[in-house]
Amino acid sequence: EPEVTQTPSHQVTQMGQEVILRCVPISNHLYFYWYRQILGQKVEFLVSFYNNEISEKSEIFDDQFSVERPDGSNFTLKIRSTKLEDSAMYFCASSDSVSPQHFGDGTRLSIL
Amino acid sequence: AQSVTQPDIHITVSEGASLELRCNYSYGATPYLFWYVQSPGQGLQLLLKYFSGDTLVQGIKGFEAEFKRSQSSFNLRKPSVHWSDAAEYFCAVVENSGNTPLVFGKGTRLSVIA
Repeated sequence: EPEVTQTPSHQVTQMGQEVILRCVPISNHLYFYWYRQILGQKVEFLVSFYNNEISEKSEIFDDQFSVERPDGSNFTLKIRSTKLEDSAMYFCASSDSVSPQHFGDGTRLSIL
Repeated sequence: AQSVTQPDIHITVSEGASLELRCNYSYGATPYLFWYVQSPGQGLQLLLKYFSGDTLVQGIKGFEAEFKRSQSSFNLRKPSVHWSDAAEYFCAVVENSGNTPLVFGKGTRLSVIA
């Protein structure tokens, strides 16, 4: 069964540094998402992406965040200048117009 | 705004016992409803979904869920729990199955004892 893959599985970064989280969505999916889960809390929506532009974003997704689909397969989340409170599990998901969202295994981001 | 409530933070059941995890949602129309499971250190795996039709839906790993409009509920059930079912379970709701963001509940952690 096709799956969403995320790299790296764990990223440790110094506060203030830029970080890029990578995702390869399921190949025939057209809608892409980023969610995050702070330790012990619920999964929260960050941003959705369709047709090479952001469809919707939450209040969490401020100017420090950006997303990009640099080629036909990757979907990236960039955090420009990381803060301690950005430490979380970040999940990528993809879907087509009728399917449920399929999630990757996540990237654990630790900010020191 | 949509919201999802999972009233039980942590549930412990004995292996072989039945299980019911509660989920209530707040939404004006009939939403699309999902249950996801997250094993430690893993991603979110879809257990089952409800879009329309039969209100009792079957999922993977022997799970089922029943949509009750009158109670705004979508409870997850399993008749006999296995030790490997120990995980975090998340109920989620979305306005439609397309590109609308999922709204998750806070999750219920299931522990299974021998």
